[in-house]
Amino acid sequence: NAGVTQTPKFRILKIGQSMTLQCAQDMNHNYMYWYRQDPGMGLKLIYYSVGAGITDKGEVPNGYNVSRSTTEDFPLRLELAAPSQTSVYFCASSYGRAGYTFGSGTRLTVV
Amino acid sequence: EDQVTQSPEALRLQEGESSSLNCSYTVSGLRGLFWYRQDPGKGPEFLFTLYSAGEEKEKERLKATLTKKESFLHITAPKPEDSATYLCAVSGDAGGTSYGKLTFGQGTILTVHP
Repeated sequence: NAGVTQTPKFRILKIGQSMTLQCAQDMNHNYMYWYRQDPGMGLKLIYYSVGAGITDKGEVPNGYNVSRSTTEDFPLRLELAAPSQTSVYFCASSYGRAGYTFGSGTRLTVV
Repeated sequence: EDQVTQSPEALRLQEGESSSLNCSYTVSGLRGLFWYRQDPGKGPEFLFTLYSAGEEKEKERLKATLTKKESFLHITAPKPEDSATYLCAVSGDAGGTSYGKLTFGQGTILTVHP
């Protein structure tokens, strides 16, 4: 049972480039989330989804896009990368009121 | 807007020296308060969920308690392997499709020296 799988683990982007962070879960969870974690700032919600075909903005959505075509996958798209998007990105999933299961994270540097 | 504040920011303990971490919160209709452990370079790992004031949960050397305004994570006789960042988060009653969203505190970095 893999849980939540994120790829890639590390990535360096140049300013203006685009990329997709992949997230997949095999627990049949309905809720999925993308957070970013910056030093001393805690985890901030970027986007979330309550099921296939349904997504909504979180606290810090600017510069990002998501889609949820299946229950398992929830990719995060960065368009026109900026230095402010340098961060560690975590994908998570949950079922109802249960606690989240997090992936291992993607460390992104924009130079 | 839901808010979570954790204290202290960092805590250094000697092995066997018990202590507590604090999580103060404001939320519109608490649905759940969550504690996570995060090791360097890894994703947060779920520890506990507390749903109502007065509730307590235990796991090995950890015990989480909840009041209407704050939660405590008590660490009894800690060991070096308990060293990690401990995160607190709340889920509020925002209704509709926002159910399940968590607001996190900034974390407490715990270091336990042998």
